[in-house]
Amino acid sequence: DTGVSQNPRHKITKRGQNVTFRCDPISEHNRLYWYRQTLGQGPEFLTYFQNEAQLEKSRLLSDRFSAERPKGSFSTLEIQRTEQGDSAMYLCASSLAGQTQETQYFGPGTRLLVL
Amino acid sequence: RKEVEQDPGPFNVPEGATVAFNCTYSNSASQSFFWYRQDCRKEPKLLMSVYSSGNEDGRFTAQLNRASQYISLLIRDSKLSDSATYLCVVNMGYGNKLVFGAGTILRVKS
Repeated sequence: DTGVSQNPRHKITKRGQNVTFRCDPISEHNRLYWYRQTLGQGPEFLTYFQNEAQLEKSRLLSDRFSAERPKGSFSTLEIQRTEQGDSAMYLCASSLAGQTQETQYFGPGTRLLVL
Repeated sequence: RKEVEQDPGPFNVPEGATVAFNCTYSNSASQSFFWYRQDCRKEPKLLMSVYSSGNEDGRFTAQLNRASQYISLLIRDSKLSDSATYLCVVNMGYGNKLVFGAGTILRVKS
């Protein structure tokens, strides 16, 4: 399978715990994005990387959220001291920079439930 | 005002019907436009890009009106398998983030 992969697919945690999600993009893609989606809404942008550089962060990304892409390949998204409001689907997408109509391809998502 | 607005539906149509969705966006500097399809509890998947001159892919036709800042999607000869949520997506031109509408639910019934 050469698409975007995400692990874990589901995560249940208790409020106050830390969680970390992983995203492996399509291998030749140099851009990687994180989005969050809640029920009945479209995905909302959180942050994006070009290679290993984090180029943009949404105001949605509080201090409890951190993302890394240390070698310009896979990325991790960590949420510290989780809150019930963090419950959502966390989606990763990747794209190849420089295309005329650059297309982002999404992974299957990590569904987080904070109890 | 939301950056990308769509009628949430649901649109309930019989098989074989033609259905159209519209979407409006707020930023006139927006650069690229897409329709994504999302099945229940799955990730969004690209349905088609939307070009200024309009474009067609089989039963699907997308149109862009930059002056009025709206995008449309027309589905002809609806199939049961077209049942999904259709997301209108805009690259607003700052950074590289996509801005999604909340989606329009389509239900095709036999």
